Amino acid sequence: NAGVTQTPKFQVLKTGQSMTLQCAQDMNHEYMSWYRQDPGMGLRLIHYSVGAGITDQGEVPNGYNVSRSTTEDFPLRLLSAAPSQTSVYFCASSLRIRGGDTEAFFGQGTRLTVV
Amino acid sequence: SQQGEEDPQALSIQEGENATMNCSYKTSINNLQWYRQNSGRGLVHLILIRSNEREKHSGRLRVTLDTSKKSSSLLITASRAADTASYFCATVSNSGYALNFGKGTSLLVTP
Repeated sequence: NAGVTQTPKFQVLKTGQSMTLQCAQDMNHEYMSWYRQDPGMGLRLIHYSVGAGITDQGEVPNGYNVSRSTTEDFPLRLLSAAPSQTSVYFCASSLRIRGGDTEAFFGQGTRLTVV
Repeated sequence: SQQGEEDPQALSIQEGENATMNCSYKTSINNLQWYRQNSGRGLVHLILIRSNEREKHSGRLRVTLDTSKKSSSLLITASRAADTASYFCATVSNSGYALNFGKGTSLLVTP
């Protein structure tokens, strides 16, 4: 039982490049989400999904796309990387209980630098 | 927008002392959760308190919730060097699933 796995752990991109951050969970959780963490800002929600085929925007969705074709995977795509997207990205999963009466499990993070 | 706001931003204590962190939030919630983040790692869930609960304990952790003041506190008793980490509160609204995080409190416990 690996929990939530994120790849890669580190990535350096040039401005304008695209890439996909991978997230996979093996706990059969319906709810998955992506956050970015910047110094002094805490965690901010980018996109989330309440099940396969269903996604929605969070607080800071611009410049990012997501899809959810399976319960296990929730990749985050950067279409055209910008220096403002330099951050640490976290994927999380939890049971889908409205009101969130359940703990979230986080991956180890992807540290992305855009130059 | 971010819901929670932790106070203080940073806290430095010695081993054996108690550490208290506070969290204030803005809107109605279904529950409030506390997470710990060790340097360079992901977040780990510590404790969840529901809106109809006032106090909850888990080992050396004690959490209180005052919905009338929209605030919560996390008390870590008899701190250890291994408690050094950042601590975040997060809230979930009645209608949602998403966690809304505060900016965190950085705790340093020195031997």
